[in-house]
Amino acid sequence: QVQLVQSGAEVKKPGASVKVSCKASGYTFTAYAIHWVRQAPGQGLEWMGWINPGNLNTRYSQRFQGRVTITRDTSANTAYMELISLGSEDTAVYYCSIATSAFYFDYWGQGALVTVSS
Amino acid sequence: EIVMTQSPVTLSVSLGERATLSCRASQSVRNMLAWYQQKPGQAPRLLIYGTSTRATGIPARFSGSGSGTEFTLTISSLQSEDFAVYYCQQYNNWPPYTFGQGTKLEIK
Repeated sequence: QVQLVQSGAEVKKPGASVKVSCKASGYTFTAYAIHWVRQAPGQGLEWMGWINPGNLNTRYSQRFQGRVTITRDTSANTAYMELISLGSEDTAVYYCSIATSAFYFDYWGQGALVTVSS
Repeated sequence: EIVMTQSPVTLSVSLGERATLSCRASQSVRNMLAWYQQKPGQAPRLLIYGTSTRATGIPARFSGSGSGTEFTLTISSLQSEDFAVYYCQQYNNWPPYTFGQGTKLEIK
C-alpha cells in the first residue's frame, strides 16, 4: 500500500532554513509527482510546489519562489522540501502528498511540524 | 490565482441530519474540484474528485455536485465520524493549486 512517511518535528530560529523529508513506499517512486502543502496553526491548506521524481521537473507557487527548493533521491525513494529565510509565519505543518490520477491529492504523509521561534 | 471561498465557516448539524457545504471559485474551474476531510491532528483525506466522484472507500452518504464556479458537498445523514473540517480544492488552473479556507462541521 502507498505510504508517505515524513521526518519529525523541527524547531528553527528566524532566518534559518529547514529541510523536511518524505519517504515513499508501496509504488514506483518515479511514477507520480510529489507535492508539498503546508498548514499554519488553525489555518487552511496552502500548496507550495511539486517535483516530478522521474524527470526532476519542479513547479513552485509564486508565493514561495526563491525560498523553497524541492529535491529527490531516487535511491532512497525520498523527496525533500527545503525552505530558507524562515520567519514566524512559516510555523506550520508541512505535508507531502501525491496525486496518482490528476492533480487532486489522494495520498498524504503524516505531516511535519516546523516551529519558527527565537 | 483562483480564489476558493467556502461557506459557511462553521456549520452546526444534528446527527442523522443532512449537511450541505458550499464552495465558490473566483473563475470557472470546470469540474476540476476536489473535497477533503480533515480531523484534528490528521492529514487531509480525499473524499471527492472531479466534482462528484467519490474516492476509494468513501461512503455513499458523501456526494458532490456543481460545475464552473459553484460547488456543493452534501453529507446525507451525518454520522459521528463526519464531524471535521472540509476543504475544497481546484486543480483546473495551476500553479498554484488552491484550497478554500475550510468549513468546520460541528455537532448541534
